[in-house]
Amino acid sequence: KNQVEQSPQSLIILEGKNCTLQCNYTVSPFSNLRWYKQDTGRGPVSLTIMTFSENTKSNGRYTATLDADTKQSSLHITASQLSDSASYICVVSSSGGSYIPTFGRGTSLIVHP
Amino acid sequence: SQTIHQWPATLVQPVGSPLSLECTVEGTSNPNLYWYRQAAGRGLQLLFYSVGIGQISSEVPQNLSASRPQDRQFILSSKKLLLSDSGFYLCAWSARKGAFFGQGTRLTVV
Repeated sequence: KNQVEQSPQSLIILEGKNCTLQCNYTVSPFSNLRWYKQDTGRGPVSLTIMTFSENTKSNGRYTATLDADTKQSSLHITASQLSDSASYICVVSSSGGSYIPTFGRGTSLIVHP
Repeated sequence: SQTIHQWPATLVQPVGSPLSLECTVEGTSNPNLYWYRQAAGRGLQLLFYSVGIGQISSEVPQNLSASRPQDRQFILSSKKLLLSDSGFYLCAWSARKGAFFGQGTRLTVV
């Protein structure tokens, strides 16, 4: 069964600090992995997308890594800002059949001033 | 470019009333379409997905149903809402590059 596990479930950090969120998956066959940011009451917004051959991808202060061998990904946030407070969701899509994505449960990040 | 529209943004409905949430996609043809629910403090739960007109797959038994009357239109319905149907509903479509989401509907059943 395809699964995506994220850790930690929640995280509280001070403004200006860095943090790293983790995502482990068992989706097969693998197509791509996306990190989304979801503000409360809004739809998820894509931060990065990574395919099998990509190890690192950055989007401003967000840097995602992918290790396809160990089936792990991380999202690193540098110099956090109050606006980074949100849920971060890891989504892995399979290349088999209809590309149905598998979602992690998300990490809730709170950035305090 | 592809866009996805979902409405309404918020909805308050009494228990036992019907429900109809609509989602349309622009800029793509024959998309895979999905309805997800996100209960408070929980992750996204896949409710229904559709790979074509009239083709609906249900992931969990519940009080809801879905229909796809047109290629780029996906509708989530209920004949009689329950209190437990309250939550945040997201429509999405997917392709090789991953999933793309609507802005969501906050449904409160009172």
